[in-house]
Amino acid sequence: DGGITQSPKYLFRKEGQNVTLSCEQNLNHDAMYWYRQDPGQGLRLIYYSQIVNDFQKGDIAEGYSVSREKKESFPLTVTSAQKNPTAFYLCASSVSLDQPQHFGDGTRLSIL
Amino acid sequence: EDKVVQSPLSLVVHEGDTVTLNCSYEVTNFRSLLWYKQEKKAPTFLFMLTSSGIEKKSGRLSSILDKKELSSILNITATQTGDSAIYLCAVDPGGGKLIFGQGTELSVKP
Repeated sequence: DGGITQSPKYLFRKEGQNVTLSCEQNLNHDAMYWYRQDPGQGLRLIYYSQIVNDFQKGDIAEGYSVSREKKESFPLTVTSAQKNPTAFYLCASSVSLDQPQHFGDGTRLSIL
Repeated sequence: EDKVVQSPLSLVVHEGDTVTLNCSYEVTNFRSLLWYKQEKKAPTFLFMLTSSGIEKKSGRLSSILDKKELSSILNITATQTGDSAIYLCAVDPGGGKLIFGQGTELSVKP
């Protein structure tokens, strides 16, 4: 089955800890994205990648980092510098930047 | 600042009703407008609109773009409980950086 797999579904972070959210796709899409969703707000773009070994900051990149070493994978690290990390994180991919984005099932991150 | 505004923010209807969800935008550049349905987890793609006045339809759902009014509507006819979800509108100003509205939470009661 083709799709986007995010793991884990739920994640808890201790103060001062970095955590990494996984996103894997087998759709052969070039572009991948990370969004954050807070209650009552729309999705906000954290980082995106048009192609392997290239990525760009979105609107709220501070406190986050990414890598794109393989076409299928776009992991997101939430660093200790992100002071309000509790949110629902969604990964998406698309054939190219101007095509519709398709989403994974999300990871819910909470603070311990 | 680019922004997308959806209305209403929430809506409760009964099965069989017809609903209209609104999306308005103010962006510097416009490439397309997209609608998504989010039930609990992954938003699922519904429509991408690029041209004004051309209706896109899928079953009981339809959508149209009005570039003059900088808006779009999503219609759902003969609503069912399975239509209960958050409906997200997003504008693509180019370069893949979608700008999302807050979403409209639709609840369909039996």
